[in-house]
Amino acid sequence: DTGVSQDPRHKITKRGQNVTFRCDPISEHNRLYWYRQTLGQGPEFLTYFQNEAQLEKSRLLSDRFSAERPKGSFSTLEIQRTEQGDSAMYLCASSYIPGLAGGNEQFFGPGTRLTVL
Amino acid sequence: AQKITQTQPGMFVQEKEAVTLDCTYDTSDPSYGLFWYKQPSSGEMIFLIYQGSYDQQNATEGRYSLNFQKARKSANLVISASQLGDSAMYFCAMREFLRVGSQGNLIFGKGTKLSVKP
Repeated sequence: DTGVSQDPRHKITKRGQNVTFRCDPISEHNRLYWYRQTLGQGPEFLTYFQNEAQLEKSRLLSDRFSAERPKGSFSTLEIQRTEQGDSAMYLCASSYIPGLAGGNEQFFGPGTRLTVL
Repeated sequence: AQKITQTQPGMFVQEKEAVTLDCTYDTSDPSYGLFWYKQPSSGEMIFLIYQGSYDQQNATEGRYSLNFQKARKSANLVISASQLGDSAMYFCAMREFLRVGSQGNLIFGKGTKLSVKP
């Protein structure tokens, strides 16, 4: 396994269009996270899954955003009716948590850079 | 209030010298973890080092060490013997383990851009 992968790496779209990103985590990892990073800022948390259950969502995740992780493997993040403010790098990360707590690091993918024209 | 503060937008260091990147944090959770990540220009976040709030010893990983001062709520990253390949953005992050609704995500600072001069 070569790590977390994300597809596509770059996406350019017109305002109002829908886009979908995919993340494939490290295979034995049960947690999957989505973050958004804008220029000059650190990543901001959007949502995370433990197996197939979406356990937490940030208030940054408006109604236009939806994430899924069917069967607890890959995940998709869809943005409907994109706006120029959605332009950012979308990062996916995964980790293995044996319990509710733990310091296991999150391994990040290369990100999907979204540009909304 | 910001939970992670990195006060140095940019830092320069001479190759082979040591450099300290500052990070202070704010939490009322007694159980938390502190992380440092490196982000080169390619964009991928690379995990460097972790410190748990109950760890007695400062964490070390090769040329990276974490100067953890719990009472001051600081978790500075020390890079020894800087190399040209260390030039990148460095992010400090925290995970709160017990606060309801915040057990999963990392909270990141704004980062410090480190430039290593030959």
